[in-house]
Amino acid sequence: QVQLQESGPRLAKPSETLSLTCTVSGGSVSAYHWSWIRQPPGKGPEWIGYIHYGGNTYYNPSLKSRVTISVDTSKNHLSLKLNSVIAADTAVYFCVRMTPQTSFDHWGQGTLVTVSS
Amino acid sequence: QSVLTQAPSASGTPGQRVTISCSGGSSNIERNPVNWYQQLPGTAPKLIIYDNDQRPSGVPARFSGSKSGTSASLAISGLQSEDEADYYCAAWDDSQICVLFGGGTKLTVL
Repeated sequence: QVQLQESGPRLAKPSETLSLTCTVSGGSVSAYHWSWIRQPPGKGPEWIGYIHYGGNTYYNPSLKSRVTISVDTSKNHLSLKLNSVIAADTAVYFCVRMTPQTSFDHWGQGTLVTVSS
Repeated sequence: QSVLTQAPSASGTPGQRVTISCSGGSSNIERNPVNWYQQLPGTAPKLIIYDNDQRPSGVPARFSGSKSGTSASLAISGLQSEDEADYYCAAWDDSQICVLFGGGTKLTVL
């Protein structure tokens, strides 16, 4: 059974870089596609992007200029970096396994990141 | 950004059948699989329907999905109190080259 666990700072200052890591257990990061999804408090989910198991990345056009998703096969984890954060980036961030049919079948528990000075 | 439209709320009484709709367009729902997620308060969303009408293992048969043209629907029969949750549809969009989520429907069991 695949399990995902997000980790990283819970607080980021405006204009800084938000960095999160997702540790994957019960499966190899190199065998699947992986996504990051965020959900602002009281709102619906927003897809951030995904990394194909072959290494290609695809990002939400609204975030593309600020986001990087990568995997580290030696540590079996994936990472998210979001540059130049603003208050509107405050959200629960989830790492998620993505199927070829673009469904999200395994989710981490999520981590709330607050952007505030 | 979302172009998948859902009614913000729905309700039903225990035992009833309720339907939640998701309206999109030719670049998303019409061309690509629709997936549905259930989110209970304080938890991560859970996949309950994938590829328009398929149920993952462990999801009760009371949940069913369908798609026609640019719209999709989630039906819940034999409504139970534990079905009270937020429901989101999602699909890949070929024009925006991204996954879109609907705005969500909050289901209340009266």
